Amino acid sequence: GQNIDQPTEMTATEGAIVQINCTYQTSGFNGLFWYQQHAGEAPTFLSYNVLDGLEEKGRFSSFLSRSKGYSYLLLKELQMKDSASYLCAVISTSGTYKYIFGTGTRLKVLA
Amino acid sequence: DAGVTQSPTHLIKTRGQQVTLRCSPKSGHDTVSWYQQALGQGPQFIFQYYEEEERQRGNFPDRFSGHQFPNYSSELNVNALLLGDSALYLCASSKGRNQPQHFGDGTRLSIL
Repeated sequence: GQNIDQPTEMTATEGAIVQINCTYQTSGFNGLFWYQQHAGEAPTFLSYNVLDGLEEKGRFSSFLSRSKGYSYLLLKELQMKDSASYLCAVISTSGTYKYIFGTGTRLKVLA
Repeated sequence: DAGVTQSPTHLIKTRGQQVTLRCSPKSGHDTVSWYQQALGQGPQFIFQYYEEEERQRGNFPDRFSGHQFPNYSSELNVNALLLGDSALYLCASSKGRNQPQHFGDGTRLSIL
């Protein structure tokens, strides 16, 4: 089957660094996305990895290892506004493209 | 530059009814995907439209159908509504089929 696993909840302190992990098992692979979703709002795009390695974008970085079926999202210098759900999504390619989302990790940033 | 717009924002229906949700993609985007998101869950992929045809489909019954128009806007139709269809329905657009998607604010559908 096809599956994406993320921790359900995480808590961190303002100013700290947090790493949100994502493991996936899919039929074929054509890219991994991270989205941020505040409660009651639409998901917003954060990052896209298709090759192994680290992609850095300001306070946010995302890493991918295709051989391990593993990715992480690293958030630095945490701010209160970073409290949100973080969704890992994979495009699988079992004949056709299919977008598969994880259930999301709810991050709570404490003062 | 308008982003992805969806209508209506909220909708209340009863079991057995039919519903149509609408989506206008972000300017310059030609691909539209629809998702169902239950409370506390990640979005579940329903289907994707490109060049006015359904290109990919998730594990949803035939009660869920859609359409894409020449201006790239799209509709999601759900027939014979069930209580379990209550959810947030998200539309996402992209330029191409495996590119980052931009999401609309969603339509919250409640089935009584």
